[in-house]
Amino acid sequence: DQQVKQNSPSLSVQEGRISILNCDYTNSMFDYFLWYKKYPAEGPTFLISISSIKDKNEDGRFTVFLNKSAKHLSLHIVPSQPGDSAVYFCAATKSSSNTGKLIFGQGTTLQVKP
Amino acid sequence: GAGVSQSPSNKVTEKGKDVELRCDPISGHTALYWYRQSLGQGLEFLIYFQGNSAPDKSGLPSDRFSAERTGGSVSTLTIQRTQQEDSAVYLCASSLGDPRVNEKLFFGSGTQLSVL
Repeated sequence: DQQVKQNSPSLSVQEGRISILNCDYTNSMFDYFLWYKKYPAEGPTFLISISSIKDKNEDGRFTVFLNKSAKHLSLHIVPSQPGDSAVYFCAATKSSSNTGKLIFGQGTTLQVKP
Repeated sequence: GAGVSQSPSNKVTEKGKDVELRCDPISGHTALYWYRQSLGQGLEFLIYFQGNSAPDKSGLPSDRFSAERTGGSVSTLTIQRTQQEDSAVYLCASSLGDPRVNEKLFFGSGTQLSVL
């Protein structure tokens, strides 16, 4: 049972344009969501997160939007840069579990073309 | 400061052999996680250690998989009688382990395991 889903395996955008990566989840108990970025041969690195008490969190060029009723979140990158080319993983967790265990999606490979 | 260190970075083994994968977490981090990423798949949770508590082994796919964490620091993931479907990147992560806050996990670069 895939509790966190990223239905687009890949995305290609032009440098300077907006990249929108989507993520859906099924478990309504999830209340904290994260995006990780992964370059080849490296481990994932934390990018941005959002708590379920918010619907938007912004950090520089990166903004995460959360739609709880739709169980959907998205990551917006504006403007996109070639260095943003990587695999992006969406992750979710239940704060009440006190374990920090994250459930990850399958990842979306973003290619930003110069 | 050093990040999460994993060794070896690559491991090629024959079907049926046992393998051991090592993880050195960030100093001071009490929580340690093992994940794996199979080709075309997301990160699959395997096991979680927190201090002296009993580990959460709910993600281990079979009894061929086991993990230890000695002295609350270094962890070893052991796969016995490896199968071709065990081929994946095995990722270790650590965090401060404070249950009161939502923490970031810091990942190592992973071990690429190939079972021939």
